[in-house]
Order: sequence, then structure tokens, then C-alpha cells
Amino acid sequence: IAGITQAPTSQILAAGRRMTLRCTQDMRHNAMYWYRQDLGLGLRLIHYSNTAGTTGKGEVPDGYSVSRANTDDFPLTLASAVPSQTSVYFCASSGAPSTDTQYFGPGTRLTVL
Amino acid sequence: GQNIDQPTEMTATEGAIVQINCTYQTSGFNGLFWYQQHAGEAPTFLSYNVLDGLEEKGRFSSFLSRSKGYSYLLLKELQMKDSASYLCAVMDSNYQLIWGAGTKLIIKP
Repeated sequence: IAGITQAPTSQILAAGRRMTLRCTQDMRHNAMYWYRQDLGLGLRLIHYSNTAGTTGKGEVPDGYSVSRANTDDFPLTLASAVPSQTSVYFCASSGAPSTDTQYFGPGTRLTVL
Repeated sequence: GQNIDQPTEMTATEGAIVQINCTYQTSGFNGLFWYQQHAGEAPTFLSYNVLDGLEEKGRFSSFLSRSKGYSYLLLKELQMKDSASYLCAVMDSNYQLIWGAGTKLIIKP
């Protein structure tokens, strides 16, 4: 693994189903982030983690949950998907939560029908 | 509220120079980032400004004026591969990035 990987690449999901998007980084970065990107809008922060064992809410956390059991993994769970969660989801990481550059994974394109 | 403004779309000619502007109003300021995003791909880091002035990196330069809440990204000697969206983001007082919607740059031969 080099950098950040995300899985799946894309997914079509029925409304009401539970879904976990996976994110793994091998850069030993302390901070990790989940964003969603929608047409015409900037990236919006869903949840973040400044270090393993801690998480925080971003701008649009409702309907999503995260966990950070170790440094490398930061899964995002949709407990009961709704069509408004159709989006492209990007995971990112940075060495420190402050001013360090964020590096992005390739993204997951999720469609909720 | 917090706001980042940048033009939705710009068109330029191969070999020319283009300037992409970004204005911001945020709660606090801990630096401004520019990212490049090709269609269907992840954003990739281009530049970071925290002090006023110009930062030059090859064909790309980024300028910041904190008093005016203004930045621009200057791309010289445009190449077809520069066709992409350019994202402006400001790190606020909580060290969270606030993102603009991006400027889609179209390069014509």
C-alpha cells in the first residue's frame, strides 16, 4: 500500500441499508478526515480524527459515524442510507491536525436509490 | 458564516497564463491551500500560503493578501494537462479546512 486507499471504488445501495466505507493509510499520519463532494459545492467535512482513539464532528455529520481504533484505519458508516447521501466520498490524512497538508484517497462514488 | 468564493469556470489557451482568484471570509485564518483535481480523481496539493506574498513553484505561483481576504493561483505556460478543477481552501481557527466549490479550468489548443 502506498498512501491512502479507499474501498469500494463505487457502490449502488438501496435506501435504508447499512454501508461502511473503508479507508486505510500507510503514512503513519495522526489525523484523518472524511469529506463528501457534491456538484457545485465545496468539499464538506463529515467527521475527523486528530489521533487514534479520538473522533470529532465536522460540518455535516448527521447520518454518519466513524471510529479510529488504530492509526491506519478510519471507516465511515452510514447506518441507514438515504438518497441525499448520494455523493463522492473522500478520505484524507495529514501528519498533524493543524497546518499539515492533507493527502486524499481516490474516493468512493456512492449512489443511494 | 464562512465563505470561500472562486469563479465557477475559466477558459484559457495552451501556452498562455491564467489567474484564478479566491476570496474568503472565515472565522480565523491558519493558512490557505490550493489543490488541483482532475475529473474523477482525488484532489492533489499544489501550494500553501500563510504569510502575505507570492510563493512560486515551477509553472505555478500562489499569492496571498490576508488583509484583503484574497488569494490567486497563477498558472504559466499552460499545458493541456492543466485542464482540471482548482480548489481553494482556508484553514480556520479550529484548524478545519473550509473549501471553495472549485474553478473548472478549460484549456483550448
